[in-house]
Amino acid sequence: GAVVSQHPSWVICKSGTSVKIECRSLDFQATTMFWYRQFPKQSLMLMATSNEGSKATYEQGVEKDKFLINHASLTLSTLTVTSAHPEDSSFYICSARPGTDSPLHFGNGTRLTVT
Amino acid sequence: AQSVTQPDIHITVSEGASLELRCNYSYGATPYLFWYVQSPGQGLQLLLKYFSGDTLVQGIKGFEAEFKRSQSSFNLRKPSVHWSDAAEYFCAVSASGAQKLVFGQGTRLTINP
Repeated sequence: GAVVSQHPSWVICKSGTSVKIECRSLDFQATTMFWYRQFPKQSLMLMATSNEGSKATYEQGVEKDKFLINHASLTLSTLTVTSAHPEDSSFYICSARPGTDSPLHFGNGTRLTVT
Repeated sequence: AQSVTQPDIHITVSEGASLELRCNYSYGATPYLFWYVQSPGQGLQLLLKYFSGDTLVQGIKGFEAEFKRSQSSFNLRKPSVHWSDAAEYFCAVSASGAQKLVFGQGTRLTINP
């Protein structure tokens, strides 16, 4: 089946530093990937849609300069949290689908803690 | 825009008992509907999906869901739960197979031994 791999699974960083999270589709190509954020005991909120070879589409209220998304190849999208602050601490999950009308497959998520 | 409501934040059932998790959606056309399960600290696993056709869909782990257009619902059921079913369950909707997913608030399932 379709596998989405996310790395790292957890990261701790200091305030003011930047953190990069990778999302890879291992056995399929994905022109579009989706980045979600999940606060403890809450649902998943879509942050942005990552488009291969073009700019990401951000949801309303998401700071594009803080959450930089790059989708340089058909199997890799990266989310960089720039100048991280404690309020950016969260669980970030990426997803992709192998084709139109295929369900989304999710990575295992990245737990980010900013101290 | 589409939206999803899961009325039950937390449900507790005894092992071996039947289960029904409720999901109501709001969307003008026929939606694409999904149920996902999430174990603590993990990503999401697809249980089942409805795109079209038979309104009763079977999924993995013995789960099934029924699409009822008249009630705008897509409830998840399992005849007999196992302790390993304890997790968070999310209902989700999209406008088409290529569009983003909108998730409900989630229902946390606890299993009593």
